[in-house]
Amino acid sequence: GESVGLHLPTLSVQEGDNSIINCAYSNSASDYFIWYKQESGKGPQFIIDIRSNMDKRQGQRVTVLLNKTVKHLSLQIAATQPGDSAVYFCAERNTGNQFYFGTGTSLTVIP
Amino acid sequence: GAGVSQTPSNKVTEKGKYVELRCDPISGHTALYWYRQSLGQGPEFLIYFQGTGAADDSGLPNDRFFAVRPEGSVSTLKIQRTERGDSAVYLCASSRDSSGNTIYFGEGSWLTVV
Repeated sequence: GESVGLHLPTLSVQEGDNSIINCAYSNSASDYFIWYKQESGKGPQFIIDIRSNMDKRQGQRVTVLLNKTVKHLSLQIAATQPGDSAVYFCAERNTGNQFYFGTGTSLTVIP
Repeated sequence: GAGVSQTPSNKVTEKGKYVELRCDPISGHTALYWYRQSLGQGPEFLIYFQGTGAADDSGLPNDRFFAVRPEGSVSTLKIQRTERGDSAVYLCASSRDSSGNTIYFGEGSWLTVV
């Protein structure tokens, strides 16, 4: 089966600092990756995606880095705000078009 | 609609009962996915549809679980003879197609089996 894991289950940062959330994936054939944010009681919300032919992609305050050599994905959030507090998941798409999710990292922003 | 809509948002049922969970995908999205999420875990793949057909149902845990999408839009996840272990959030997602587009989730249906 698929294995998508996160290195740190919890992360606390001061408001205004940058956050980095890491994710390891196991299937070298996965070609598409998505980061989701999930607030309590809500469904996962799309943040940013990246395809396997890219190393980096930037959005508004977020950057995703993909290192295919070590099968590692990271999400960087600049100037973290209290509203960024949530659980963050990475998801990988395998050759069968299913998306597999890791356990998630809980981000807490300290005002 | 504007987003993926799931009903009911909450469902409490007795062990052994039958439940149906409904998903209305984003208009025009041909791919539809069902996931299950337990507390403290990431979403777990159950099944996905491309159009009316189930393209992959390998994630369904056993034959008590079944899903349909008869007209290629709304989908229903059906659970027979519910067990307490079925308690979870059932998430539905849709994408424009299954060729690598982003999947967008609904808010989920919280199922509690007592």
